[in-house]
Amino acid sequence: SQQGEEDPQALSIQEGENATMNCSYKTSINNLQWYRQNSGRGLVHLILIRSNEREKHSGRLRVTLDTSKKSSSLLITASRAADTASYFCATDAYSGAGSYQLTFGKGTKLSVIP
Amino acid sequence: EAQVTQNPRYLITVTGKKLTVTCSQNMNHEYMSWYRQDPGLGLRQIYYSMNVEVTDKGDVPEGYKVSRKEKRNFPLILESPSPNQTSLYFCASSLSAGIIPTDTQYFGPGTRLTVL
Repeated sequence: SQQGEEDPQALSIQEGENATMNCSYKTSINNLQWYRQNSGRGLVHLILIRSNEREKHSGRLRVTLDTSKKSSSLLITASRAADTASYFCATDAYSGAGSYQLTFGKGTKLSVIP
Repeated sequence: EAQVTQNPRYLITVTGKKLTVTCSQNMNHEYMSWYRQDPGLGLRQIYYSMNVEVTDKGDVPEGYKVSRKEKRNFPLILESPSPNQTSLYFCASSLSAGIIPTDTQYFGPGTRLTVL
């Protein structure tokens, strides 16, 4: 079952604007990751935030995590046309028998218009 | 160069003809997994492996088999492919082998499979 769900499904902005994507999940997690996928290609890891962290930065990326609301957001500042891609959040979930499974949401498709 | 490789990248086959998609990583990662990606459904995990000779079902294991005889390889086997297995397949690996294998996932380039 899919643990994380991104919102919105699609987002279109002008170059230079900020883009915000959200991820909600259902059960408690150990950490949450964001990935980027250019059309038809493999996913690329962007950032990992642990359950005891509230905010993390990496270049133009800012990720927040609110465990009380079971949600995370990814902010891309000063967007560029090259940021056009799909963005996925991934959360770990207990799958029983002492093991965890990493599950991905359906993604947010970001289009940055030059 | 650290990478995950998949072969073939593209494959068109017919219903019932057994096929194997290979996956190999050169990072000495313990955790490996297979996903399929379909429009509107996102990525769904098929199988994963926490170490050699240890494999577990993901969300959509029906119609697939895997094996993990060596740390670096994790082939995906479709014994009798059907059209509903037409999809984009990704292999991924990560370093973590603990109970919580949620380190950074490194993805292969994908295999686009069409079953006629």
